[in-house]
Amino acid sequence: EIVLTQSPATLSLSPGERATLSCRASQSVSSYLAWYQQKPGQAPRLLIDEASNRATGIPARFSGSGSGTDFTLTISSLEPEDFAVYYCQQRSNWPLTFGGGTKVEIK
Amino acid sequence: DVQLLESGGGLIQPGGSLRLSCAASGFTFSSCAMGWVRQAPGKGLEWVSAVSQNGDKTFNADSVKGRFTISRDNFKNMLYLQMNSLRADDTAIYYCAKRGGYNGWGAFDIWGQGTMVTVSS
Repeated sequence: EIVLTQSPATLSLSPGERATLSCRASQSVSSYLAWYQQKPGQAPRLLIDEASNRATGIPARFSGSGSGTDFTLTISSLEPEDFAVYYCQQRSNWPLTFGGGTKVEIK
Repeated sequence: DVQLLESGGGLIQPGGSLRLSCAASGFTFSSCAMGWVRQAPGKGLEWVSAVSQNGDKTFNADSVKGRFTISRDNFKNMLYLQMNSLRADDTAIYYCAKRGGYNGWGAFDIWGQGTMVTVSS
């Protein structure tokens, strides 16, 4: 099973600041990595697929990069609605696995 | 509108069975692989099961292998999860999710609102 390790667990930032979230895989997942955003009481929402492709309707301030084992989700300038939990997920191998999540909270 | 609507959750005793359903609309259901993802209270996301577009291939997490069965009815645009031998650690919100991508095996691009399953005596 591919283990995804997200860091940091919590990121405390102010609106307007840049957020950088990391996801590291225990073995290569090529570019088959996705990022999701989840707000309290809501279902997850797909932000990025294949490491860097924004999903439909996702603002340009969200960007993804990386390949192999190291990936980054960047939010260039945090909006109030961006404070949430973010998960990475790999679809390179079965079983599909998710990282433990990074909570982006208001400082 | 693209939509997934789960039903069938509830309170069930340990060892019991439950069948979750997911009604799909607004997209070509038969072209997309589908899956179930769960989230225990206060915890992260855990993939549970997946099924191919025509239902001939299924995949399950080790934690549910031999107990849960995923299936689909492309005529009715329905996805199912039959859950047997339920345990307390199966307690979670269960999300139905559509896989996207050009071949239908991409990331989970559409999610339902979830249905809560509570396993307790």
